[in-house]
Amino acid sequence: DTGVSQNPRHKITKRGQNVTFRCDPISEHNRLYWYRQTLGQGPEFLTYFQNEAQLEKSRLLSDRFSAERPKGSFSTLEIQRTEQGDSAMYLCASTLSRVRTDTQYFGPGTRLTVL
Amino acid sequence: DQQVKQNSPSLSVQEGRISILNCDYTNSMFDYFLWYKKYPAEGPTFLISISSIKDKNEDGRFTVFLNKSAKHLSLHIVPSQPGDSAVYFCAASASNFNKFYFGSGTKLNVKP
Repeated sequence: DTGVSQNPRHKITKRGQNVTFRCDPISEHNRLYWYRQTLGQGPEFLTYFQNEAQLEKSRLLSDRFSAERPKGSFSTLEIQRTEQGDSAMYLCASTLSRVRTDTQYFGPGTRLTVL
Repeated sequence: DQQVKQNSPSLSVQEGRISILNCDYTNSMFDYFLWYKKYPAEGPTFLISISSIKDKNEDGRFTVFLNKSAKHLSLHIVPSQPGDSAVYFCAASASNFNKFYFGSGTKLNVKP
């Protein structure tokens, strides 16, 4: 069990560029969540997948944000036309429904800096 | 719209004493409440949870208390240890677990 992994760990980009982050959940975990965390705040929910289906999306997820989980395993989060306000830590978490649905396992996060 | 609130950004406690971290929520639809611990440069780690049908859940040195009428929960750590120094997040979810709401965190410092 290697835990939840996220790549890259850090990303620096210029305003207006597109970025994509990847999350590999714990094997067999069917639920996957994306969060955004800014300094001094808690994780803020962005979106939720059960297997490959995206079942919940936050209002905060503007049309510049898109997430996929094509085969129900890894997931990607893409931000188009990045803005300075997108600078944050992006966290991914996974759970296994049939065991402990309330227990999320978080990855280390991807820190995005938009210049 | 902050549905989960942690009003104390920081707490300092002497080793061996009790640490009490507080959390308030506004949404009566929440059925599950969780506490996470976070060290720098790591993602949050699950600590303990409680469902709305209970008012107390204990796991070793950690106890969570839920007061549904007051929409308040608290995490007690007894005895506190220096290794407990971290940021603690309170979180809540409805029973479908489709979305979790987190508080802004309380930074606990346990002094040796």
